[in-house]
Amino acid sequence: GAVVSQHPSRVICKSGTSVKIECRSLDFQATTMFWYRQFPKQSLMLMATSNEGSKATYEQGVEKDKFLINHASLTLSTLTVTSAHPEDSSFYICSASHRLINTDTQYFGPGTRLTVL
Amino acid sequence: AQKVTQAQTEISVVEKEDVTLDCVYETRDTTYYLFWYKQPPSGELVFLIRRNSFDEQNEISGRYSWNFQKSTSSFNFTITASQVVDSAVYFCALSSSGYSTLTFGKGTMLLVSP
Repeated sequence: GAVVSQHPSRVICKSGTSVKIECRSLDFQATTMFWYRQFPKQSLMLMATSNEGSKATYEQGVEKDKFLINHASLTLSTLTVTSAHPEDSSFYICSASHRLINTDTQYFGPGTRLTVL
Repeated sequence: AQKVTQAQTEISVVEKEDVTLDCVYETRDTTYYLFWYKQPPSGELVFLIRRNSFDEQNEISGRYSWNFQKSTSSFNFTITASQVVDSAVYFCALSSSGYSTLTFGKGTMLLVSP
């Protein structure tokens, strides 16, 4: 149980285009989903916390207009990187918490590697 | 403010050696949770353990064991008889009870050679 998927696993795009990344909890309902980015050989940096049906809470320094988060259901959250630039190239990872049990434990997706040319 | 320190950036061992990964944390909360995650080269974070602040019992799961000591604010992770498949980056993390945002350490890269 507690499986989280992400799609796509890898994406290459041109500068100026928008990219959407999906995060799904496959076998449980997630009260909360989280989006992180990770640069090579560095730790995870929390970008935003997303609760189903409400606006995401962004961490300081994260542009909400650039990184659009939609959490439409208890099993799906999407991150859209708008007008992507090379400096947005990174590894993006989502996680989800169980709705009913172990709300403090996050289960992570496999990540999406974004390369902006 | 919460903080997690993993002082060991990189550790190299030979297969079958025991290895301990250190984790020291700071928090003002009386109730909190500690976690260890494994990140293999594929990138996915694998949940290993969750421990709440009221439970100081050490835990063993196969070759893995965890030593939680509130007196020294440490939550160390030991792998016994390491294997090549244990090669990964290991993250220690902390969250406050009822508020599930995680504070991660910088990670320790473990390289196990045959």
